[in-house]
Amino acid sequence: GQSLEQPSEVTAVEGAIVQINCTYQTSGFYGLSWYQQHDGGAPTFLSYNALDGLEETGRFSSFLSRSDSYGYLLLQELQMKDSASYFCAVEGFKTIFGAGTRLFVKA
Amino acid sequence: GAVVSQHPSWVICKSGTSVKIECRSLDFQATTMFWYRQFPKQSLMLMATSNEGSKATYEQGVEKDKFLINHASLTLSTLTVTSAHPEDSSFYICSAVGEASGGPATQYFGPGTRLTVL
Repeated sequence: GQSLEQPSEVTAVEGAIVQINCTYQTSGFYGLSWYQQHDGGAPTFLSYNALDGLEETGRFSSFLSRSDSYGYLLLQELQMKDSASYFCAVEGFKTIFGAGTRLFVKA
Repeated sequence: GAVVSQHPSWVICKSGTSVKIECRSLDFQATTMFWYRQFPKQSLMLMATSNEGSKATYEQGVEKDKFLINHASLTLSTLTVTSAHPEDSSFYICSAVGEASGGPATQYFGPGTRLTVL
């Protein structure tokens, strides 16, 4: 079967760094994506890792280890607007989303 | 960047009626579109995969006769919730995959349609 695990909730302060981990079990794996979703909105694509290693896009970075079936999203210089839900998603024959991690950024 | 629209953005209907939701890729051709459903504070659950010109592939547990999907062109897919009931109230989101820029198989999500069935 296919499954993803990520923490349900994370709290951090403005300016801090936070890491959201994701472990997965799947078949037909092409890569791991990360999406951000604000309350009431649709998911927006953040990053995609097909190969092992770190991908950096501005304040956000994403890491993948295929051998460990593990990835993480790193958010730096946190801002209040980063408060949202973050989903990891396994990209295979279809996309399977994790349950999401709600990030609360405090002043 | 690629844009996907959905219409309507929200709809309220009476129990027993049917509701059609449109998903359009505005600046690219989408060979594949996906339909998701999301209940409050939960993840996106894939309902079906829609390929242009062929029948949709439904996920286990999703009633194909209740959720009718038509992918009539490379830019339009529709989801019709037939005989809607209050338990069908949810946030319905489509996504499109095509030849737009963005690297390997990036999904572009529509803004979602919030359905409330009274």
